Amino acid sequence: GENVEQHPSTLSVQEGDSAVIKCTYSDSASNYFPWYKQELGKGPQLIIDIRSNVGEKKDQRIAVTLNKTAKHFSLHITETQPEDSAVYFCAASTTNTGNQFYFGTGTSLTVIP
Amino acid sequence: DAGITQSPRHKVTETGTPVTLRCHQTENHRYMYWYRQDPGHGLRLIHYSYGVKDTDKGEVSDGYSVSRSKTEDFLLTLESATSSQTSVYFCAISGGGKGSPLHFGNGTRLTVT
Repeated sequence: GENVEQHPSTLSVQEGDSAVIKCTYSDSASNYFPWYKQELGKGPQLIIDIRSNVGEKKDQRIAVTLNKTAKHFSLHITETQPEDSAVYFCAASTTNTGNQFYFGTGTSLTVIP
Repeated sequence: DAGITQSPRHKVTETGTPVTLRCHQTENHRYMYWYRQDPGHGLRLIHYSYGVKDTDKGEVSDGYSVSRSKTEDFLLTLESATSSQTSVYFCAISGGGKGSPLHFGNGTRLTVT
């Protein structure tokens, strides 16, 4: 099955700086890559996603890049704010296997005011 | 938030007792999933359903069973709870079309003593 690795596990940045979280996947059939943000005591919430036919996608301060050849994708947060502090998860999915999703182990991001 | 309700939100039970967690959705989505979340492991799929009475195992299905008798309800049962099943359990739903994201409930924190 698919194996998704995520780095780093923890990340601290100063407010206003950028944060980058990286993930790799193993199954070349994976074709959909969502990112989730989880705040304390809540379920993960989708923040951005990218499909395999796109190399980059941006939504305000958040962007995701995908390199299919190298099988890795990254989340970029610019101009970080304290409310960006949370745990972030990457995931990979293929519609070839019944719409299953495989998650990375998460990155705890702390934005220092 | 997607219309997903998990119940109970918290439960403490003793080793060897049966436990049932409930997930109820109001989105009429085809796919429903149960994940468990543990430190260092991210989100791991227990079971999922792709329609009424249609279910399949995920990567950590041992000790768990599921049932889906209605589109809106997906039950997770621990037949005989063990301490290793202490975890936070998340239900998720998806429309199931190509690249359809998961939407999560707010979780059930289960402690097995």
